[in-house]
Amino acid sequence: NAGVMQNPRHLVRRRGQEARLRCSPMKGHSHVYWYRQLPEEGLKFMVYLQKENIIDESGMPKERFSAEFPKEGPSILRIQQVVRGDSAAYFCASSLPGQGTISGYTFGSGTRLTVV
Amino acid sequence: AQTVTQSQPEMSVQEAETVTLSCTYDTSESNYYLFWYKQPPSRQMILVIRQEAYKQQNATENRFSVNFQKAAKSFSLKISDSQLGDTAMYFCAFMMLTSYDKVIFGPGTSLSVIP
Repeated sequence: NAGVMQNPRHLVRRRGQEARLRCSPMKGHSHVYWYRQLPEEGLKFMVYLQKENIIDESGMPKERFSAEFPKEGPSILRIQQVVRGDSAAYFCASSLPGQGTISGYTFGSGTRLTVV
Repeated sequence: AQTVTQSQPEMSVQEAETVTLSCTYDTSESNYYLFWYKQPPSRQMILVIRQEAYKQQNATENRFSVNFQKAAKSFSLKISDSQLGDTAMYFCAFMMLTSYDKVIFGPGTSLSVIP
């Protein structure tokens, strides 16, 4: 039973390009969370999604960032027109409905985005 | 809004010794969960231990234990018999018992175990 799979592990983009980060949750998990970890900082909540629904996007920057979790396929975090300040590690986590409090999240290994 | 504070950015401990990492949080909720996560250099986030706020008994997982003081809103992690593999960032985290599982993380404590 594979864990949460994130790809790519490392992503380099030039300023102004688009970045697409993918997350495949654990089998059977229907809740996905995206977190951002800036250098030397903790994880900051970005967005919480269920299949085909954004439940809470209170941590998402208002512009350039979007997320989706389609009925089929992985969850995608999309950053348009990247800037240097977007450089960070982006983590995806998944859980079963209502089970996050019991076992915590299952995290992926993260995608390190570097904007040059 | 809930906040989590870890006042020790860096700590070190001799191998086989005991170390305690501090965490305080702020909430008006009465039902919630607390976690400690470990992030080694591999960057993988690993759940170390969890505590339900309604339980008075402190959680224990092998060499890891917590001191949960609900009134003081304190949740410290004690690592006994420290091992080199314990070297990592440690994040304290808070989760409300709402309709979904949103976790708030502290800024982390970097722990180095010295041989």
